Amino acid sequence: DQQVKQNSPSLSVQEGRISILNCDYTNSMFDYFLWYKKYPAEGPTFLISISSIKDKNEDGRFTVFLNKSAKHLSLHIVPSQPGDSAVYFCAASLGGSQGNLIFGKGTKLSVKP
Amino acid sequence: DTAVSQTPKYLVTQMGNDKSIKCEQNLGHDTMYWYKQDSKKFLKIMFSYNNKELIINETVPNRFSPKSPDKAHLNLHINSLELGDSAVYFCASSQAGGLLEEAFFGQGTRLTVV
Repeated sequence: DQQVKQNSPSLSVQEGRISILNCDYTNSMFDYFLWYKKYPAEGPTFLISISSIKDKNEDGRFTVFLNKSAKHLSLHIVPSQPGDSAVYFCAASLGGSQGNLIFGKGTKLSVKP
Repeated sequence: DTAVSQTPKYLVTQMGNDKSIKCEQNLGHDTMYWYKQDSKKFLKIMFSYNNKELIINETVPNRFSPKSPDKAHLNLHINSLELGDSAVYFCASSQAGGLLEEAFFGQGTRLTVV
C-alpha cells in the first residue's frame, strides 16, 4: 500500500525554468512532510520540510506547498540549475518532526543546460 | 570525514549465504536505522535502534538481524539470502528525540543476490 505516491518517475526541465515535483498521500494523519534529494551512489539528503499546520515553506530557490484537503504537496525549484539534477523523494511522518519516515518512490529530475 | 559510512558499497553473493553490512556514524547520534530501497524504488524503514531498544518493522523477515556493538555502530546481518533480498540498503542516524531534518543517511550498499 503506497501511502506516499510520486506518480512521475522522471521530469526534464530547462535550466532557468521552474521545476515542479508532485507528491500525493493517502493517510490524512500525516502531520509532517519532507523532501529529500539523492545523487547517484549517495544517500538521501534533507532538502526542505513542512508541518501540516502550514501550507507553504520557502528556503531560497526551494518552496514546498501543502494542500491538505487534496492530500497533495509539491516542491518548486526556481530557477532550476543543472546541479539540481537528482532523484527527489517525498516523505511523510506520523509523529511530527520526530516520527518515522514513509517515503515515495522518487522522481528523477534532469535539468538541461 | 563521512558522517554515516557503510561498508561494503557493493555486495554480490549467492543465494543461501549469510552476509553482513556494517554501518558507523561519527555524529554522536544515539538512534540508528536501516532502510531498504527495493526494485520498485520504495525506500522503507526496516529497523530503528535507540541505545538498547530495537524497534522492528513487522514486514522484515527474521533472517534480518541488526546488531549494535555500541551506539556508533549498527550492523545488518542477513541469513540465508534470497533473490528478493537484492536491493540497496541505507543506514541512517539521528539524535533521539531529534528532528527528522537532522537524520543523516549513508551512501547505501547495493546488495545483489545471484
